[in-house]
Amino acid sequence: EPEVTQTPSHQVTQMGQEVILRCVPISNHLYFYWYRQILGQKVEFLVSFYNNEISEKSEIFDDQFSVERPDGSNFTLKIRSTKLEDSAMYFCASSSRDRGLSTNEKLFFGSGTQLSVL
Amino acid sequence: QQQVKQSPQSLIVQKGGISIINCAYENTAFDYFPWYQQFPGKGPALLIAIRPDVSEKKEGRFTISFNKSAKQFSLHIMDSQPGDSATYFCAANGDSGYALNFGKGTSLLVTP
Repeated sequence: EPEVTQTPSHQVTQMGQEVILRCVPISNHLYFYWYRQILGQKVEFLVSFYNNEISEKSEIFDDQFSVERPDGSNFTLKIRSTKLEDSAMYFCASSSRDRGLSTNEKLFFGSGTQLSVL
Repeated sequence: QQQVKQSPQSLIVQKGGISIINCAYENTAFDYFPWYQQFPGKGPALLIAIRPDVSEKKEGRFTISFNKSAKQFSLHIMDSQPGDSATYFCAANGDSGYALNFGKGTSLLVTP
């Protein structure tokens, strides 16, 4: 089965530093997403991206966050100045469709990047 | 505001038993209801999903029951196995939005 690949698997950074989380979505997918999961809590939507622009973002996705598709394969999430509360597992996901997902269409998640802000 | 409420928070079931996890939603615009399974250190993986035009969907040992009038849906795992031990998330999505709204998750432990 195709996979979404995320790097690094773990990232430790100092508060106030910039981090870039990287993702390689499934090759024929067009819709890309970032979600995060604070330890022991639910998975939360951050942002969706299609056709080189943000389609939707949550309240969490403030000006400290940005996304980019720098080339034909990578999809990145940048946190400009990390805060302690940004510590979480960040999941990249991709799908061939976004809204109107049929029951046979999947949103594929990567294994995540565990971000620890000290 | 919690869009999708999930219960119980944790569940212990003996091997061979039935695991039942419940979810409720408020937004009547939701029309896609998936369940995700997550093992430690892994991302959520789609298990089964349903649209509100049917009341039940079954795939192997996994069944979703959907009650549109009550705005509730549930996951039943028949003949539960130790390998089913994982965290299960319900979610919901509507055509007006891109985001999946997840419940808080249920940690399932199936004992031998």
